[in-house]
Amino acid sequence: LAKTTQPISMDSYEGQEVNITCSHNNIATNDYITWYQQFPSQGPRFIIQGYKTKVTNEVASLFIPADRKSSTLSLPRVSLSDTAVYYCLVGSKGSQGNLIFGKGTKLSVKP
Amino acid sequence: GAVVSQHPSWVICKSGTSVKIECRSLDFQATTMFWYRQFPKQSLMLMATSNEGSKATYEQGVEKDKFLINHASLTLSTLTVTSAHPEDSSFYICSAWVDRSNEQFFGPGTRLTVL
Repeated sequence: LAKTTQPISMDSYEGQEVNITCSHNNIATNDYITWYQQFPSQGPRFIIQGYKTKVTNEVASLFIPADRKSSTLSLPRVSLSDTAVYYCLVGSKGSQGNLIFGKGTKLSVKP
Repeated sequence: GAVVSQHPSWVICKSGTSVKIECRSLDFQATTMFWYRQFPKQSLMLMATSNEGSKATYEQGVEKDKFLINHASLTLSTLTVTSAHPEDSSFYICSAWVDRSNEQFFGPGTRLTVL
């Protein structure tokens, strides 16, 4: 199982771009990288998933370098409502890796 | 995206009683569902994998006789906390795989408080 490492916390201000990096040195060939967002007392919510290079959707971008040993979640122009815990998970389809949550990154957005 | 619901959203019970939590996939069929537990200010911890029509697979350290899991249909899995004690108070979250997309969709969670 590819273990993930993220910063415990990050602070930002409204309107800024936030980049959260996740290290996964032991990522396997078939593994995907998935990011989730969790608000207090709610279940995690899928944000974005990628395998290599760059993926973008309406809420975020995911940057994955060629060696895939890390990934960066980019949140453009954050708002107060983006204050949450962000988790990155690494695993292939149906694998246990997709079920193992690390400690996550607590993002605090200030006005 | 796919929707997963849980019921109840919160429950308070007396020590020694049993509590059942339901997890439903509303717009898709889920042969596999998962149950997590989350204590305050901690990450999600996988408890067990629920397989439709077969026995659940429990993670190391999770008592299968205490946390009974039933996955009787392709849209419903239940977790029963038997003889609950205050230390079982936690936030229980279920999820389901969407096979075609390799995505895991989570329910809103159930807050269990055992007095």
